[in-house]
Amino acid sequence: AQSVTQLDSHVSVSEGTPVLLRCNYSSSYSPSLFWYVQHPNKGLQLLLKYTSAATLVKGINGFEAEFKKSETSFHLTKPSAHMSDAAEYFCVVSERDTGRRALTFGSGTRLQVQP
Amino acid sequence: NAGVTQTPKFRVLKTGQSMTLLCAQDMNHEYMYWYRQDPGMGLRLIHYSVGEGTTAKGEVPDGYNVSRLKKQNFLLGLESAAPSQTSVYFCASSFRGDEQFFGPGTRLTVL
Repeated sequence: AQSVTQLDSHVSVSEGTPVLLRCNYSSSYSPSLFWYVQHPNKGLQLLLKYTSAATLVKGINGFEAEFKKSETSFHLTKPSAHMSDAAEYFCVVSERDTGRRALTFGSGTRLQVQP
Repeated sequence: NAGVTQTPKFRVLKTGQSMTLLCAQDMNHEYMYWYRQDPGMGLRLIHYSVGEGTTAKGEVPDGYNVSRLKKQNFLLGLESAAPSQTSVYFCASSFRGDEQFFGPGTRLTVL
């Protein structure tokens, strides 16, 4: 069985400072990992994905994440926060080696960006 | 390409009423999914389909039914709505079952 734990339900940063959103996963198979972002009253947008190629993954809007198998982590980072980054972020794991191909979502981290 | 669209965007039901949510995708994806989103719980899988004419239960299927008569459409039905089904419902589709593309969501309130 697979699971995802997002270690912080809320993160608050000042504009221009670094962002770190933490995610740990558990998977019986070779995982695909994703970060999705959801702005208020909107659908989910893919930020980036890891599918067993490079362990450092670059996404949209300056975000990146590093897959660390030894730590079972996939933390999301950005060097400098922007006001438009305020949203909810979901870490997601996929069962790549099973027929269902469903995603398991973390409970989300709400990012606040202070001016 | 419209991507993934959902109809309706909002709906209010009374307990015991029925309704159908429609999801359509124009990307020729094989896999389609229905999720519900509740505060503090992320998204939970209700039902999914790996191809036209096939459906399967997800994590929270009770009280819902689905049909995939056409490859591009995935319908979610509530036969007798309950207040516990108040939620935001998201449809998603995927080509090979990996990266998923999401619709804008349907906000459902059951009184």
